[in-house]
Amino acid sequence: QKEVEQNSGPLSVPEGAIASLNCTYSDRGSQSFFWYRQYSGKSPELIMSIYSNGDKEDGRFTAQLNKASQYVSLLIRDSQPSDSATYLCAVTRSNYQLIWGAGTKLIIKP
Amino acid sequence: KAGVTQTPRYLIKTRGQQVTLSCSPISGHRSVSWYQQTPGQGLQFLFEYFSETQRNKGNFPGRFSGRQFSNSRSEMNVSTLELGDSALYLCASSLGGQGKLFFGSGTQLSVL
Repeated sequence: QKEVEQNSGPLSVPEGAIASLNCTYSDRGSQSFFWYRQYSGKSPELIMSIYSNGDKEDGRFTAQLNKASQYVSLLIRDSQPSDSATYLCAVTRSNYQLIWGAGTKLIIKP
Repeated sequence: KAGVTQTPRYLIKTRGQQVTLSCSPISGHRSVSWYQQTPGQGLQFLFEYFSETQRNKGNFPGRFSGRQFSNSRSEMNVSTLELGDSALYLCASSLGGQGKLFFGSGTQLSVL
């Protein structure tokens, strides 16, 4: 079992709909959780970070964390074609090392 | 504020050679991490340096090494190159290395 698991996709979502991306992790001592977006041919860029249970909203993006169930999700409201990218989930282990999921490819269809 | 700068952008080497990649972090950032990215394996952690000390290391052979200088600039070296080392090598900097990383554009290494 991988430490951080994501569905590789592709996840296809119609323009204007909500895209829901999920990530599970195995280290119960993990404290910090991050979502990165990577466009094809580009480097990853940080879009959201979350540290405590619940929801954190930033514009059209909402990160959700449930430590008891060991999952973190990213919701993208009013999806736009420009949101088409690979979304990487990253989690810090209890020893502070950052562990990455393999990424979910998201395709927003006009 | 200038971003993370990686040089060179592209590199072509032959098997058995060695290569050195360079990374200049964002000013004030003391942590530099290196990653290997391939289409099949995703983002693989190589190592992290903080204040010139290697703080974490991934599961790569000893042919992969790195160092960080007093100005936080970092270099990564790969000796005895193999075909499987062909990949995009990404450097990322952060203030304290706690997950909020800023990535450079990467060095695309091709080993022939």
